[in-house]
This record gives sequence, structure tokens and C-alpha cells, in this order.
Amino acid sequence: GEDVEQSLFLSVREGDSSVINCTYTDSSSTYLYWYKQEPGAGLQLLTYIFSNMDMKQDQRLTVLLNKKDKHLSLRIADTQTGDSAIYFCAEISNDYKLSFGAGTTVTVRA
Amino acid sequence: GAVVSQHPSRVICKSGTSVKIECRSLDFQATTMFWYRQFPKQSLMLMATSNEGSKATYEQGVEKDKFLINHASLTLSTLTVTSAHPEDSSFYICSAVGLSGNTIYFGEGSWLTVV
Repeated sequence: GEDVEQSLFLSVREGDSSVINCTYTDSSSTYLYWYKQEPGAGLQLLTYIFSNMDMKQDQRLTVLLNKKDKHLSLRIADTQTGDSAIYFCAEISNDYKLSFGAGTTVTVRA
Repeated sequence: GAVVSQHPSRVICKSGTSVKIECRSLDFQATTMFWYRQFPKQSLMLMATSNEGSKATYEQGVEKDKFLINHASLTLSTLTVTSAHPEDSSFYICSAVGLSGNTIYFGEGSWLTVV
């Protein structure tokens, strides 16, 4: 995922909001994705946003997209211990290939 | 429930042997499936694109003779790691694109350990 960049670590207190940032390079990506991976588990699609949207909200999750700056963020409200995981952002090419960021490890502390 | 199933979810094999991983779309047809690999504490990297009825397309640096991909039907793609070595130990995950082209589903992934 050298074309998709994320910060590697985020530590947040339980109950606070988490914000994970991502920059991408392919301006033609029609969708941008956020995946969650818990230790020893597979990938879970958290949410996605269509490229002509600025924001998408889904319960505790809010995705913001700034196409001009190619910046994507994921906000998790009221972060819980079960939110501790690695979060990947991904962009999709015209031929459906996903390019992933390196992943942000979110640690929720009590 | 899962719409893309991978099997086995975990496998341990001896060095030098071959191991096959299946990726199956359960309730939809997928002309295209993708295989990704994830080394510990790293991101997912695309290995190859599997197209039903034709040869797979491999990404640069991926050995096609070592990672054999077969996509014999619209619901099944297989990845065979041949003559496995400990450095092949990794998390392998597939994704499938629905015929409409606007939905991508991931399998649960397969953990391969070569001893």
C-alpha cells in the first residue's frame, strides 16, 4: 500500500472519539473503504464512501472525504474496548483491485 | 452470514509440500477474484487477479509457478502454494467481485504456517 498512507498507531481512552486519517493517490477511485482486522481474524468491511460524497454516517462511524486533498478519515464515536483493532483504508482501481494502507493500530485504554 | 468462504481457515504444512486454499462465493457468481497476502504486522498486498476460464494475472514479484491459481468456475478459485517454505507463512485472503461489478466481498482469510 505505498500509494495509500495512514498513521500507524492511535491510542484513545474508552468513551472518547477516535479519528483515523488516510491519504490516497488515485483520484479515479469510485469508492473508498475502511476495513477492521482484529488479532488473528480476517478483514471486516466497516464502511465505505462513494467518491461523490463528502460525508457518510453509520451509527458510531463517520467517514469524511476531501477529494481535493485526497484525504479520508474515519471517526469512531464513544470508542469501546471492542474497537481495539487494526484499521485499513483502501482505494479501488477501475479493475476492482484494492490498494490498502499499512493499517492503523488502535488501542483503547480504560 | 459470509458470502465468500475460504477453506481452510488455518493450515500447518511441512516445508516442501504443497497446500491448496479455496475461495468460494456462496450465493453469487464472481467472474473475478483476487488473492492478497498479508505478512505479520504488514498491510495486504495484491498477489494476483483470478479470472474465470482464463489464466490468472500476477502482480510484479509474485512467482506464478509457486502460487498456482485456478478459477475453474464462477464460484470457486483456488490458490496452491507449491513447495512451501517457512517464508511463505502468511495470511492469505481472497476477494470476489459480483457480476454487477459494484460489490466486493472478502473471505475470512487463511492462515498458513510452514514448518
